[in-house]
Amino acid sequence: GDSVTQMEGPVTLSEEAFLTINCTYTATGYPSLFWYVQYPGEGLQLLLKATKADDKGSNKGFEATYRKETTSFHLEKGSVQVSDSAVYFCALSDRAGGGNKLTFGTGTQLKVEL
Amino acid sequence: EAQVTQNPRYLITVTGKKLTVTCSQNMNHEYMSWYRQDPGLGLRQIYYSMNVEVTDKGDVPEGYKVSRKEKRNFPLILESPSPNQTSLYFCASSAREYTEAFFGQGTRLTVV
Repeated sequence: GDSVTQMEGPVTLSEEAFLTINCTYTATGYPSLFWYVQYPGEGLQLLLKATKADDKGSNKGFEATYRKETTSFHLEKGSVQVSDSAVYFCALSDRAGGGNKLTFGTGTQLKVEL
Repeated sequence: EAQVTQNPRYLITVTGKKLTVTCSQNMNHEYMSWYRQDPGLGLRQIYYSMNVEVTDKGDVPEGYKVSRKEKRNFPLILESPSPNQTSLYFCASSAREYTEAFFGQGTRLTVV
């Protein structure tokens, strides 16, 4: 079945540091890929998405590129802020996998300190 | 404002006492789902619905029921809750199949 693997957290960075959160996937078909963010006490919000190979999703300074050859969708940001502290989830949606569902990774907690 | 609304946000109950978590969306979305979030496991789909009166099991449906009598509402029913159903629950809706979903604020359920 489909699966998503994310790097373990927590990740602790200083403000203005460069961020990378790794995400790799396995899928039956040709999935769409997503990054969601969960701030403390809140639901998940869509951060960015990509629907085909080599697409780059971007939002709020975050970027991720759909790499079919390496089955990856790593999240990057050039300069993080304290307000970026949250849990980040990589997810996929795969028509061939069935069930009209999002398959999530386990989440990576990011802590940004002054 | 487009949103998915769940109630209650927090609930503590006892084993075996039936409960319902409500979910409502105001975006006229066809597709709705329930997920549970557990540490180290991410989010897993419990049930989903493609339209009114059309529902199907997700990955972890045991111990749960759903209904979709109206397009905007998708309640989650635990007829006899057990401690292993202690979790954080999210309702989600989407406009189309296999695309991004919009999530509610979550319901933290504790079964003692």
